[in-house]
Amino acid sequence: DTGVSQDPRHKITKRGQNVTFRCDPISEHNRLYWYRQTLGQGPEFLTYFQNEAQLEKSRLLSDRFSAERPKGSFSTLEIQRTEQGDSAMYLCASSLAGTHNQPQHFGDGTRLSIL
Amino acid sequence: GQQLNQSPQSMFIQEGEDVSMNCTSSSIFNTWLWYKQDPGEGPVLLIALYKAGELTSNGRLTAQFGITRKDSFLNISASIPSDVGIYFCAGHYGGSQGNLIFGKGTKLSVKP
Repeated sequence: DTGVSQDPRHKITKRGQNVTFRCDPISEHNRLYWYRQTLGQGPEFLTYFQNEAQLEKSRLLSDRFSAERPKGSFSTLEIQRTEQGDSAMYLCASSLAGTHNQPQHFGDGTRLSIL
Repeated sequence: GQQLNQSPQSMFIQEGEDVSMNCTSSSIFNTWLWYKQDPGEGPVLLIALYKAGELTSNGRLTAQFGITRKDSFLNISASIPSDVGIYFCAGHYGGSQGNLIFGKGTKLSVKP
């Protein structure tokens, strides 16, 4: 059983460029989550999907951020016109939907550095 | 927004010592989880708690869901060097199904 997979592991880009990250959840998990983590902080929720439907978005998810999960399997997170403040670790997690909150399992993240 | 207060922020351990950390909130949480994160990796789930008063163990780790539903603690018994890392509490409150709230973490290091 493979865990949550994220690609790339590291991304360095210049300010103003667009970047896209991919997340492949645990295969039977129908929920997929995106979080952002900065140094010395815990992860902060960005958005989540159940199957292909995006059910919740944080205020942190500005209009430069867009997430998709078109077929209810893998997901992509795109950041347009990157800014210095976007530098962070972007974490993906997945879980099963259930009668109570099923635990979320995390990937190893994509570390984004904006030059 | 909702915040979790996690303490201590950091602590040093000597092999064999027991370790305790806790997390408190101002709101009632309906799920508490504890994760460990090593440098350059994602958080790894240690223990999940779903009922007030629930006490759950995972090897040398024991965690409890507080009776008031506003706190949780994690104990590590007989610590070993590989216990070093950052421990996060996290939880769901209200009707949220997605939004996990995290504490700022407790960093465990080895005593010099």
